[in-house]
Amino acid sequence: KQEVTQIPAALSVPEGENLVLNCSFTDSAIYNLQWFRQDPGKGLTSLLLIQSSQREQTSGRLNASLDKSSGRSTLYIAASQPGDSATYLCAVRPGNTGKLIFGQGTTLQVKP
Amino acid sequence: DGGITQSPKYLFRKEGQNVTLSCEQNLNHDAMYWYRQDPGQGLRLIYYSQIVNDFQKGDIAEGYSVSREKKESFPLTVTSAQKNPTAFYLCASSSWQGNFLYTEAFFGQGTRLTVV
Repeated sequence: KQEVTQIPAALSVPEGENLVLNCSFTDSAIYNLQWFRQDPGKGLTSLLLIQSSQREQTSGRLNASLDKSSGRSTLYIAASQPGDSATYLCAVRPGNTGKLIFGQGTTLQVKP
Repeated sequence: DGGITQSPKYLFRKEGQNVTLSCEQNLNHDAMYWYRQDPGQGLRLIYYSQIVNDFQKGDIAEGYSVSREKKESFPLTVTSAQKNPTAFYLCASSSWQGNFLYTEAFFGQGTRLTVV
């Protein structure tokens, strides 16, 4: 059974720091991996989608990498800002149904 | 604007009552999903549908029912059989490009259901 783990559960950093959020999954047979952001009481906002054939994706200050063989993905946030404070979730698609299996998330606080 | 609309934003249910949560998308996506989010438990899949008139149970389908009569709509009914329905419910959709390549999943803003 596919399991997704995100460590740490919470992270607090000063503004301007570069940071890395980690996501690991137990079964490397995935079709793609997606990173989301969730603000308190809100829905999920898609940040980046990485297909299984890709190694990384970039969007602005965000860069996500994927290493299927080791079952890991990282989300790199450059020059963090207070507005980046949110919960970040990663999810994998283990098969052709399009189902997403989520990690528990990392709650990020960026202090001014 | 294209997107997913969930309604209502807040819903209160009395004991023994069935309630229906609405999810509508205008993204022309084939697949739609319902997730439940509880504090400390992440998102868990309730039901999903890959095409109209077809749907499958997810990990926690007991006490819930769905229908998929139109491509753009995927309503979720929380029945009285669901013993602990208080949670945040999220609807999502995605499409696929062939060769099992699914596109990004997009989520609605959620419905917070509370039992009173």
